[in-house]
Order: sequence, then structure tokens, then C-alpha cells
Amino acid sequence: SQTIHQWPATLVQPVGSPLSLECTVEGTSNPNLYWYRQAAGRGLQLLFYSVGIGQISSEVPQNLSASRPQDRQFILSSKKLLLSDSGFYLCAWSGGGGQPQHFGDGTRLSIL
Amino acid sequence: EDKVVQSPLSLVVHEGDTVTLNCSYEVTNFRSLLWYKQEKKAPTFLFMLTSSGIEKKSGRLSSILDKKELSSILNITATQTGDSAIYLCAGRSNDYKLSFGAGTTVTVRA
Repeated sequence: SQTIHQWPATLVQPVGSPLSLECTVEGTSNPNLYWYRQAAGRGLQLLFYSVGIGQISSEVPQNLSASRPQDRQFILSSKKLLLSDSGFYLCAWSGGGGQPQHFGDGTRLSIL
Repeated sequence: EDKVVQSPLSLVVHEGDTVTLNCSYEVTNFRSLLWYKQEKKAPTFLFMLTSSGIEKKSGRLSSILDKKELSSILNITATQTGDSAIYLCAGRSNDYKLSFGAGTTVTVRA
């Protein structure tokens, strides 16, 4: 069966520091991969999605970037974090053809 | 811009009660409506609805889509404390993009 791993679970970073969050999927090949941010009391906002290695689509302009160096690895990065980057970041995967997305356990990011 | 609105924002019920959650959507090129349950961390998939008027059931949970009214409901019967969670609704516009509502927080008291 497929599993998705996301780390770290929590992270506290100072303003201006870099960021790297990692997500890996097991048990499937060529998944669609997604990064979401969930602000308190709000729904999930799609940040990036990827349909293959090196293929990244950005949904909203922001201080973050994403990369997919391997088929089942998705990385969310920032060179310099802002206070507004605080939130709960979720990685998800899906198969093709409009199948449901399945989420990792998330990373709670606090910026000080 | 796609829009998904859930109501109520929160509710508190007692064990054994029945709960009805609402979701309305305005999604360009609508393909399907999904429901998720989020307890502490990862949202877990409940239902995906594509056809209008066909109820999907899983145990005490059921859901139905009304494409004419651009809405969906999620019912939970005989609620238990383990049903306490945030329930998220999302509209899908293509193979990749889900637009989520803000969620309904359900609290079930013993």
C-alpha cells in the first residue's frame, strides 16, 4: 500500500532563515504531488503541484519554491522566511485520472 | 476564482445525535466534490462524489451531491466522540486542483 512521509513534524525558525521541508511517497510510481498551507480557521490553500520530475506548477505568488528531484520526493523551500510564512504545511499525493489526494501528517512551522 | 463555502463553521452535539454538514461550491469546469476528515494532523479521505443524486455511504457517514444546487451534504448518524474533527469539503476543477472550504468543526460530547 502507499504511504506518504513528511518531516519534520514541527519547526521553529527565525525570520530571514532558510527553509527545507521534505515529503516522500512509497508504494507508487509517478504520483502527482502537492504542497498545501493551512492557516488557522481556514481551508487548505494549494501552493504547488507536480506531475513529474522537474515539473512544478505554482498556484500563488509567494516567498516559497518547490522542487521534485526524484519521482517520489517533493521539497518545499525558502531562501528567507517571513513572519507570514507561519502555518501548517501539508504534502499530498494522488494517482492520475482525478483520483483523490492523500495527505501526509503535516509540518507545523512557526516563524519568530 | 473558485469558491467553496461550508456551513456551519462549528457545532456541538451529544453522542447519538445526527449531524448534517453543508457545502456549496462555485468551481469552474467542476469535476467532483470531495469530503475529508481532519483530526489532529492529516486530512483523511471520506468520499468523492461525481454524479448528482447518488448517495455514497460508509458506516454511519453518508454524502450526496446536488449539481443543480451546486451543493453537497455530509450526514453523520448516531454520532460518537470519535467523530469529533474538522470536516473539509473540496471541489475539483481538473485532475490536479482542489479548492477547499474552511471546514466545519464538529464536537461530540459524551
